[in-house]
Amino acid sequence: DAKTTQPPSMDCAEGRAANLPCNHSTVSGNEYVYWYRQIHSQGPQYIIHGLKNNETNEMASLIITEDRKSSTLILPHATLRDTAVYYCIVLAPNSGNTPLVFGKGTRLSVIA
Amino acid sequence: DTEVTQTPKHLVMGMTNKKSLKCEQHMGHRAMYWYKQKAKKPPELMFVYSYEKLSINESVPSRFSPECPNSSLLNLHLHALQPEDSALYLCASSQESPGEQYFGPGTRLTVT
Repeated sequence: DAKTTQPPSMDCAEGRAANLPCNHSTVSGNEYVYWYRQIHSQGPQYIIHGLKNNETNEMASLIITEDRKSSTLILPHATLRDTAVYYCIVLAPNSGNTPLVFGKGTRLSVIA
Repeated sequence: DTEVTQTPKHLVMGMTNKKSLKCEQHMGHRAMYWYKQKAKKPPELMFVYSYEKLSINESVPSRFSPECPNSSLLNLHLHALQPEDSALYLCASSQESPGEQYFGPGTRLTVT
């Protein structure tokens, strides 16, 4: 079973920041938070991951609360191409090629 | 090269046919995965290969038979499938960080 809770859908205006929340209140100390997205009819795409510090890369920023029970993925300037289902996943890396367990994710619609 | 390729892109087969799906990666990853995704649902893990050995089989029916001929290739042999097996079949690979998986575009399978 997925160990995360996400809103089923969100809208965002093009050019604005998209903030996607994720609740993972049962996260263990060695589990990281990973974000993937899946654009329609494509395979999932890795976005970013983190343990407890905030992380940023060319795609997005990840903000993790101090108690690690929730996080927010931020797409700073959303474009129409960011319309996708976004999955938040927690797992411990280096744990024997642990498979990803996808929850239902958040369907983000970026609107022109 | 951060690409995972899958062939064919689309496949239509009858319930008595035998077919194979192929997946290839040249990133030196030592773990490869098969996922199944039904319409409007998240991907579900089927098999994990680690160092060319089957490490996880998520109770998949025997009409699906995986094969890992070498570290770059992963096959999924299909035989006597049912219409409910129609889905998008995704291949993925990973190296040190199991959560950072690279996915192929998938094969959309229709069983008639």
